[in-house]
Amino acid sequence: NAGVTQTPKFQVLKTGQSMTLQCAQDMNHEYMSWYRQDPGMGLRLIHYSVGAGITDQGEVPNGYNVSRSTTEDFPLRLLSAAPSQTSVYFCASSRTGLVVNTEAFFGQGTRLTVV
Amino acid sequence: GDSVTQMEGPVTLSEEAFLTINCTYTATGYPSLFWYVQYPGEGLQLLLKATKADDKGSNKGFEATYRKETTSFHLEKGSVQVSDSAVYFCALSEGYGGATNKLIFGTGTLLAVQP
Repeated sequence: NAGVTQTPKFQVLKTGQSMTLQCAQDMNHEYMSWYRQDPGMGLRLIHYSVGAGITDQGEVPNGYNVSRSTTEDFPLRLLSAAPSQTSVYFCASSRTGLVVNTEAFFGQGTRLTVV
Repeated sequence: GDSVTQMEGPVTLSEEAFLTINCTYTATGYPSLFWYVQYPGEGLQLLLKATKADDKGSNKGFEATYRKETTSFHLEKGSVQVSDSAVYFCALSEGYGGATNKLIFGTGTLLAVQP
Protein backbone atom coordinates (compact mmCIF):
# COMPACT_ATOMS: atom_id res chain seq x y z
CA ASN A 1 0.00 0.00 0.00
CA ALA A 2 1.25 3.45 -0.91
CA GLY A 3 -0.43 5.24 2.03
CA VAL A 4 0.36 8.96 1.93
CA THR A 5 2.68 10.09 -0.87
CA GLN A 6 4.34 13.49 -0.91
CA THR A 7 6.31 15.05 -3.76
CA PRO A 8 8.89 16.39 -4.10
CA LYS A 9 11.11 15.14 -1.27
CA PHE A 10 13.48 18.09 -1.53
CA GLN A 11 13.08 21.55 -3.03
CA VAL A 12 15.08 24.76 -3.12
CA LEU A 13 13.24 27.96 -3.99
CA LYS A 14 14.26 31.54 -4.42
CA THR A 15 12.49 34.20 -2.40
CA GLY A 16 9.31 35.24 -4.18
CA GLN A 17 8.89 32.06 -6.21
CA SER A 18 5.73 30.02 -5.95
CA MET A 19 5.33 26.26 -5.89
CA THR A 20 2.96 23.47 -5.01
CA LEU A 21 3.70 20.60 -2.67
CA GLN A 22 1.74 17.55 -3.69
CA CYS A 23 0.04 15.10 -1.33
CA ALA A 24 -1.98 12.04 -2.30
CA GLN A 25 -3.47 9.24 -0.22
CA ASP A 26 -5.04 5.96 -1.33
CA MET A 27 -6.87 5.03 1.87
CA ASN A 28 -10.09 6.92 1.12
CA HIS A 29 -9.58 9.08 4.19
CA GLU A 30 -11.81 12.10 4.55
CA TYR A 31 -9.48 14.14 6.74
CA MET A 32 -6.20 15.50 5.40
CA SER A 33 -3.84 18.06 6.84
CA TRP A 34 -0.55 19.83 6.35
CA TYR A 35 2.01 20.43 9.09
CA ARG A 36 5.35 22.12 9.16
CA GLN A 37 8.13 20.88 11.38
CA ASP A 38 10.69 23.32 12.73
CA PRO A 39 13.46 22.73 15.26
CA GLY A 40 12.26 23.20 18.83
CA MET A 41 8.67 23.79 17.74
CA GLY A 42 7.32 20.36 16.96
CA LEU A 43 4.69 20.09 14.25
CA ARG A 44 2.34 22.98 13.64
CA LEU A 45 -0.89 22.69 11.67
CA ILE A 46 -1.06 24.83 8.52
CA HIS A 47 -4.35 23.85 6.86
CA TYR A 48 -6.71 20.94 7.01
CA SER A 49 -9.67 19.48 5.15
CA VAL A 50 -12.54 17.30 6.34
CA GLY A 51 -13.57 16.31 2.83
CA ALA A 52 -13.59 17.29 -0.83
CA GLY A 53 -14.47 20.96 -1.23
CA ILE A 54 -13.96 21.79 2.46
CA THR A 55 -10.81 23.36 3.86
CA ASP A 56 -9.96 25.40 6.93
CA GLN A 57 -7.02 27.16 8.50
CA GLY A 58 -4.81 25.75 11.18
CA GLU A 59 -2.36 27.45 13.50
CA VAL A 60 0.04 28.92 10.90
CA PRO A 61 -1.85 29.45 7.59
CA ASN A 62 -0.31 32.72 6.38
CA GLY A 63 1.50 32.43 3.06
CA TYR A 64 -0.11 29.10 2.16
CA ASN A 65 -3.17 28.08 0.17
CA VAL A 66 -4.88 24.73 -0.14
CA SER A 67 -7.71 23.20 -2.12
CA ARG A 68 -9.41 19.81 -2.02
CA SER A 69 -11.06 18.91 -5.30
CA THR A 70 -10.85 15.13 -4.74
CA THR A 71 -10.74 12.85 -1.71
CA GLU A 72 -7.27 11.64 -2.69
CA ASP A 73 -5.35 14.89 -3.25
CA PHE A 74 -4.58 17.84 -1.00
CA PRO A 75 -1.94 20.15 -2.52
CA LEU A 76 -0.28 22.94 -0.55
CA ARG A 77 0.62 26.11 -2.45
CA LEU A 78 3.25 28.60 -1.43
CA LEU A 79 2.20 31.86 -3.04
CA SER A 80 5.43 33.85 -2.69
CA ALA A 81 8.12 31.93 -0.88
CA ALA A 82 9.95 33.56 2.02
CA PRO A 83 13.00 32.35 3.98
CA SER A 84 10.71 31.92 7.01
CA GLN A 85 9.00 29.12 5.11
CA THR A 86 12.15 27.02 5.12
CA SER A 87 10.96 23.91 6.90
CA VAL A 88 10.02 20.27 6.57
CA TYR A 89 6.42 19.82 5.49
CA PHE A 90 4.31 16.80 6.31
CA CYS A 91 0.98 15.77 4.91
CA ALA A 92 -1.25 13.49 6.97
CA SER A 93 -4.58 11.74 6.53
CA SER A 94 -7.07 9.93 8.75
CA ARG A 95 -10.68 8.85 8.91
CA THR A 96 -13.40 11.12 10.31
CA GLY A 97 -16.97 10.79 11.42
CA LEU A 98 -17.97 9.13 14.64
CA VAL A 99 -14.82 7.03 14.71
CA VAL A 100 -12.81 8.67 17.43
CA ASN A 101 -9.12 8.58 18.10
CA THR A 102 -8.26 7.46 14.63
CA GLU A 103 -4.64 7.06 13.65
CA ALA A 104 -3.08 9.72 11.47
CA PHE A 105 -0.90 8.47 8.62
CA PHE A 106 1.97 10.72 7.55
CA GLY A 107 3.88 11.13 4.34
CA GLN A 108 7.67 11.07 4.31
CA GLY A 109 7.93 14.83 4.19
CA THR A 110 9.17 17.55 1.87
CA ARG A 111 12.28 19.43 2.90
CA LEU A 112 11.96 22.97 1.55
CA THR A 113 14.70 25.57 1.56
CA VAL A 114 13.99 29.16 0.55
CA VAL A 115 17.06 31.23 -0.27
CA GLY B 1 -5.85 26.54 24.12
CA ASP B 2 -4.79 22.95 24.40
CA SER B 3 -1.06 22.28 24.53
CA VAL B 4 1.54 19.56 25.04
CA THR B 5 4.85 19.90 26.85
CA GLN B 6 7.53 17.25 26.62
CA MET B 7 11.05 17.03 27.91
CA GLU B 8 13.75 18.47 25.74
CA GLY B 9 16.40 16.27 24.34
CA PRO B 10 18.56 14.87 23.24
CA VAL B 11 18.33 11.86 25.50
CA THR B 12 21.38 9.64 25.17
CA LEU B 13 21.26 6.14 26.64
CA SER B 14 23.26 2.97 26.47
CA GLU B 15 21.64 -0.13 25.06
CA GLU B 16 19.41 -1.97 27.58
CA ALA B 17 18.96 1.16 29.72
CA PHE B 18 15.55 2.24 31.02
CA LEU B 19 13.84 5.04 29.14
CA THR B 20 11.44 7.68 30.36
CA ILE B 21 10.31 10.63 28.25
CA ASN B 22 8.05 12.99 30.15
CA CYS B 23 4.93 14.48 28.61
CA THR B 24 2.30 16.70 30.21
CA TYR B 25 -0.72 18.30 28.62
CA THR B 26 -3.24 21.08 29.05
CA ALA B 27 -6.72 20.51 27.69
CA THR B 28 -10.20 21.85 28.34
CA GLY B 29 -12.03 18.72 27.24
CA TYR B 30 -11.25 15.02 27.36
CA PRO B 31 -8.52 14.51 24.81
CA SER B 32 -7.01 11.33 23.53
CA LEU B 33 -3.26 11.06 23.92
CA PHE B 34 -0.69 9.68 21.51
CA TRP B 35 2.98 8.98 21.09
CA TYR B 36 4.32 9.19 17.56
CA VAL B 37 7.82 8.17 16.49
CA GLN B 38 9.87 9.58 13.63
CA TYR B 39 12.82 7.51 12.41
CA PRO B 40 15.58 9.30 10.49
CA GLY B 41 14.43 10.48 7.08
CA GLU B 42 10.88 9.25 7.54
CA GLY B 43 7.46 10.60 8.42
CA LEU B 44 5.76 10.13 11.77
CA GLN B 45 4.10 6.88 12.68
CA LEU B 46 1.82 6.05 15.57
CA LEU B 47 3.59 4.25 18.42
CA LEU B 48 0.77 4.00 20.96
CA LYS B 49 -2.34 5.77 22.18
CA ALA B 50 -4.75 6.04 25.12
CA THR B 51 -8.29 7.32 24.88
CA LYS B 52 -9.37 7.86 28.49
CA ALA B 53 -8.04 8.28 32.00
CA ASP B 54 -6.07 5.32 33.41
CA ASP B 55 -5.81 3.68 29.98
CA LYS B 56 -2.39 2.24 29.20
CA GLY B 57 -1.14 2.24 25.64
CA SER B 58 1.60 -0.18 24.70
CA ASN B 59 3.52 -1.26 21.60
CA LYS B 60 6.97 -2.66 20.81
CA GLY B 61 7.89 -2.69 24.52
CA PHE B 62 6.93 0.97 25.01
CA GLU B 63 4.20 1.94 27.47
CA ALA B 64 2.41 5.09 28.55
CA THR B 65 -0.45 5.59 31.00
CA TYR B 66 -3.06 8.36 30.73
CA ARG B 67 -2.93 10.12 34.11
CA LYS B 68 -5.70 12.68 34.36
CA GLU B 69 -4.83 13.70 37.92
CA THR B 70 -1.33 14.75 36.88
CA THR B 71 -2.24 15.53 33.23
CA SER B 72 0.63 13.34 32.10
CA PHE B 73 1.39 10.64 29.54
CA HIS B 74 4.99 9.66 30.11
CA LEU B 75 6.61 7.20 27.70
CA GLU B 76 8.63 4.33 29.16
CA LYS B 77 10.59 1.34 27.94
CA GLY B 78 12.41 -1.12 30.13
CA SER B 79 15.33 -1.88 27.83
CA VAL B 80 16.11 0.30 24.83
CA GLN B 81 17.84 -0.87 21.67
CA VAL B 82 19.93 0.97 19.11
CA SER B 83 17.01 0.60 16.71
CA ASP B 84 14.87 2.77 19.05
CA SER B 85 16.94 5.82 18.15
CA ALA B 86 14.43 8.31 16.78
CA VAL B 87 12.47 11.44 17.60
CA TYR B 88 9.45 10.86 19.82
CA PHE B 89 6.45 13.18 19.78
CA CYS B 90 3.71 13.36 22.37
CA ALA B 91 0.38 14.58 20.99
CA LEU B 92 -3.24 15.05 21.88
CA SER B 93 -6.39 15.28 19.85
CA GLU B 94 -8.70 18.13 20.70
CA GLY B 95 -12.28 17.89 21.70
CA TYR B 96 -14.35 15.69 23.92
CA GLY B 97 -13.37 12.07 23.69
CA GLY B 98 -10.80 12.96 21.09
CA ALA B 99 -13.58 13.19 18.54
CA THR B 100 -11.76 15.47 16.18
CA ASN B 101 -8.79 14.84 13.94
CA LYS B 102 -6.72 17.85 14.90
CA LEU B 103 -3.51 16.82 16.58
CA ILE B 104 -1.48 19.09 18.82
CA PHE B 105 2.13 18.04 19.12
CA GLY B 106 4.87 18.57 21.63
CA THR B 107 8.26 19.73 20.43
CA GLY B 108 9.69 16.23 20.11
CA THR B 109 12.47 14.44 22.01
CA LEU B 110 15.46 13.00 20.21
CA LEU B 111 16.55 9.65 21.62
CA ALA B 112 20.01 8.35 20.78
CA VAL B 113 20.86 4.84 21.94
CA GLN B 114 24.51 3.85 21.92
CA PRO B 115 25.69 0.23 21.63
